[in-house]
Amino acid sequence: NAGVTQTPKFQVLKTGQSMTLQCAQDMNHEYMSWYRQDPGMGLRLIHYSVGAGITDQGEVPNGYNVSRSTTEDFPLRLLSAAPSQTSVYFCASSYSSALDAYNSPLHFGNGTRLTVT
Amino acid sequence: QKEVEQDPGPLSVPEGAIVSLNCTYSNSAFQYFMWYRQYSRKGPELLMYTYSSGNKEDGRFTAQVDKSSKYISLFIRDSQPSDSATYLCAMSHMDSNYQLIWGAGTKLIIKP
Repeated sequence: NAGVTQTPKFQVLKTGQSMTLQCAQDMNHEYMSWYRQDPGMGLRLIHYSVGAGITDQGEVPNGYNVSRSTTEDFPLRLLSAAPSQTSVYFCASSYSSALDAYNSPLHFGNGTRLTVT
Repeated sequence: QKEVEQDPGPLSVPEGAIVSLNCTYSNSAFQYFMWYRQYSRKGPELLMYTYSSGNKEDGRFTAQVDKSSKYISLFIRDSQPSDSATYLCAMSHMDSNYQLIWGAGTKLIIKP
């Protein structure tokens, strides 16, 4: 059982380049989300989706786009990379959007480490 | 001021010690309190959760919530080198559509 799979593991971009971070889950989870993790800042929610065809913005959405065409996949697109987007990006999924940890804990991938020069 | 404050550490203790990790928060509406553990180069994984106030115990781990003081704690008894990780607290409430608010994480090092 793969769980949440993120690709690539590492990426270096030049300022202004665009790219897509991939996320796939095989647990039939309805809720999927993207976080960025920066030192001293904790996890910050970028975008989330409560089901195929439905997406919404989180705390720090600027510079990022998402789409959810299938239950399994939730790619994150960087439109024009900036050094401020240097971070570790985590995709997470759960059974429902209620995020009640007893019934619906978040499952995380192992992250994509992105450097923008 | 952040909604959830957590000392980033690192906290270094000898093997076998009792460890206390803490978070404070400002929003009294929080109802669900979680601790996630994150090993180096890995994603966080749920370790403990508590609903509202009180204690919860699971093996060597105890989670405590004091809503009157807006303070949560995670205790680790008989700490092992394998407990070395970053511990993140997270909390949520119904009115925010259960979106999690995270502490910055405390890096814990257990010395053999």
